[in-house]
Amino acid sequence: DTEVTQTPKHLVMGMTNKKSLKCEQHMGHRAMYWYKQKAKKPPELMFVYSYEKLSINESVPSRFSPECPNSSLLNLHLHALQPEDSALYLCASSQGHNQPQHFGDGTRLSIL
Amino acid sequence: DQQVKQNSPSLSVQEGRISILNCDYTNSMFDYFLWYKKYPAEGPTFLISISSIKDKNEDGRFTVFLNKSAKHLSLHIVPSQPGDSAVYFCAASDDKIIFGKGTRLHILP
Repeated sequence: DTEVTQTPKHLVMGMTNKKSLKCEQHMGHRAMYWYKQKAKKPPELMFVYSYEKLSINESVPSRFSPECPNSSLLNLHLHALQPEDSALYLCASSQGHNQPQHFGDGTRLSIL
Repeated sequence: DQQVKQNSPSLSVQEGRISILNCDYTNSMFDYFLWYKKYPAEGPTFLISISSIKDKNEDGRFTVFLNKSAKHLSLHIVPSQPGDSAVYFCAASDDKIIFGKGTRLHILP
């Protein structure tokens, strides 16, 4: 069982929809991350939150909007996505810099 | 440009033998290295890590070796077991983690 829980596991949405991906961890980790992974590619970093503040944004388009309501939760709000945004979205958490990141099982997102 | 390279897309090893997965990197600022294992439909699972101040770290069947002068690290799994069949990602970190493209390991009966 993963200690990082992501919901939903699968999501299909149209290009005009608004939806949110959710991530939760109860390990007391103070850093949380969003990654995007396309088929047969490595995970690519999107956002990093450290102590609930956004510390890294890897030039992600504004149609992806992260939110960290508290130290255990991380959301990714989606709006007006494109078909090329279809991918596996992974959440991870760690105690801090140069500590292992623990991943959830991801949300598989399909944009119609 | 790939900062972390895993040049072998796949590797097949007989059960019980040693599996050696290799990884090269280009950024000399990387100070922390990790190996992850990934099964289909699951997120990556952390296996083992090594700081740049060390050249070896061992945890059970898994050993990671770091050669800073060659900018090379390797993961040794011995003995290899059927459950080790998965995709293995090498990763390196300075202020963020960069993943290699992965090597698919097949353990043959």
